[in-house]
Amino acid sequence: DGGITQSPKYLFRKEGQNVTLSCEQNLNHDAMYWYRQDPGQGLRLIYYSQIVNDFQKGDIAEGYSVSREKKESFPLTVTSAQKNPTAFYLCASSGPRTIGATQYFGPGTRLTVL
Amino acid sequence: DAKTTQPTSMDCAEGRAANLPCNHSTISGNEYVYWYRQIHSQGPQYIIHGLKNNETNEMASLIITEDRKSSTLILPHATLRDTAVYYCIVRVASRGKLIFGQGTELSVKP
Repeated sequence: DGGITQSPKYLFRKEGQNVTLSCEQNLNHDAMYWYRQDPGQGLRLIYYSQIVNDFQKGDIAEGYSVSREKKESFPLTVTSAQKNPTAFYLCASSGPRTIGATQYFGPGTRLTVL
Repeated sequence: DAKTTQPTSMDCAEGRAANLPCNHSTISGNEYVYWYRQIHSQGPQYIIHGLKNNETNEMASLIITEDRKSSTLILPHATLRDTAVYYCIVRVASRGKLIFGQGTELSVKP
């Protein structure tokens, strides 16, 4: 059963702690993306990666970091430098190689920083 | 990417067709029209996309006007599970980013 998985669905952290959100896909997609969604708002792009070992900043990359060591995985770390980390985080992927191909989304991780 | 305008909310009776309009009057020739929907607290779900011609798949139909300045997403027989926020996005095929606006909140009622 192909798709995109994000874990966990809900995540709670104390202020000042780094936290890593998981995103895995078995669609053989080359490109992967991280978006952030705040209540009542649209999605904003954090980072994206077109190929393994390469990634680019999106519109709101400050306070976040990513890695792309495997085609299937694109974890996002929310660092203590991110001023307002509480949000709904969505991972997406698209393929084949063309960056403009249709994006498919995972179920999301809701992060709450206490 | 061109800006889109959608109504904030719409109601539809269960079993009837839901017609969701989108205005994209500044669309350029290489921009596609995409539709996604998002059910509360879930990831957005891809529905359909098109460039010039009308498109149909198992979920919906997309009607694009001849001048491409507006489009309509049609859910032929709406069910309660179609209640969601529907986003119309105009995008150049080579761009990675999807720009989600406020969307239309569709409520399907029994």
